[in-house]
Amino acid sequence: QSVLTQPPSVSGAPGQRVTISCTGSNSNIGAGRDVQWYQQIPGTAPKLLIYADDNRPSGVPDRFSGSKSGTSASLAITGLQAEDEADYFCLSYDNSLSGSGVFGGGTKLTVL
Amino acid sequence: QLQLQESGPGLVKPSETLSVTCSVSGGPISSRIDYWAWIRQPPGRGLEWIGSIYYTGRTHYNPSLKSRVTVSVDTAKSQFSLKLSSVTAADTAVYYCAREATGAPSIWGQGAMVTVSS
Repeated sequence: QSVLTQPPSVSGAPGQRVTISCTGSNSNIGAGRDVQWYQQIPGTAPKLLIYADDNRPSGVPDRFSGSKSGTSASLAITGLQAEDEADYFCLSYDNSLSGSGVFGGGTKLTVL
Repeated sequence: QLQLQESGPGLVKPSETLSVTCSVSGGPISSRIDYWAWIRQPPGRGLEWIGSIYYTGRTHYNPSLKSRVTVSVDTAKSQFSLKLSSVTAADTAVYYCAREATGAPSIWGQGAMVTVSS
């Protein structure tokens, strides 16, 4: 049971927009702790897509965007492409766990 | 360009101590703004944050693993290490090291698979 809750799977057709939610609590996301998003292609290390809620590292396409409200955060992907098919994880930090990092369980994105 | 590379035993027996080392190249491990983190991923499952260390030796650990985990840093060798004691099959995973900049693990190693089995 992950501290942060994500839907197990989402899907969309090429060109469409999809969102992935990440729900936490008042000890992590709701406490203002930053949320990060990662993309993982099976067999490879996770890649940082979004940091500090809504910031993109250099080189990440602007099709990827992050937002946060209350105890939840979301990752939006617009103009869906076949190469976006991957697993996506959110990460925050939890004040009730001595500032430990906490991940969501992951969401499998399928491009139809 | 900063790069991280894990090295580990591959196979560890139950009840023994798992040790994995991360070698940092292309940048200083003594950076004043970075932490260095360990994260693991059991086969077919999600990610688990294990702990992190600052170059001064200050550490943060996942409370669920804290009693068994030790993370250390050797600035002279530009390496940091993970030790996990009393391992069981549940500790079988890919172990990743990462640079944690501004709170976000941003640069990751390729991962080291460690299997716990007799």
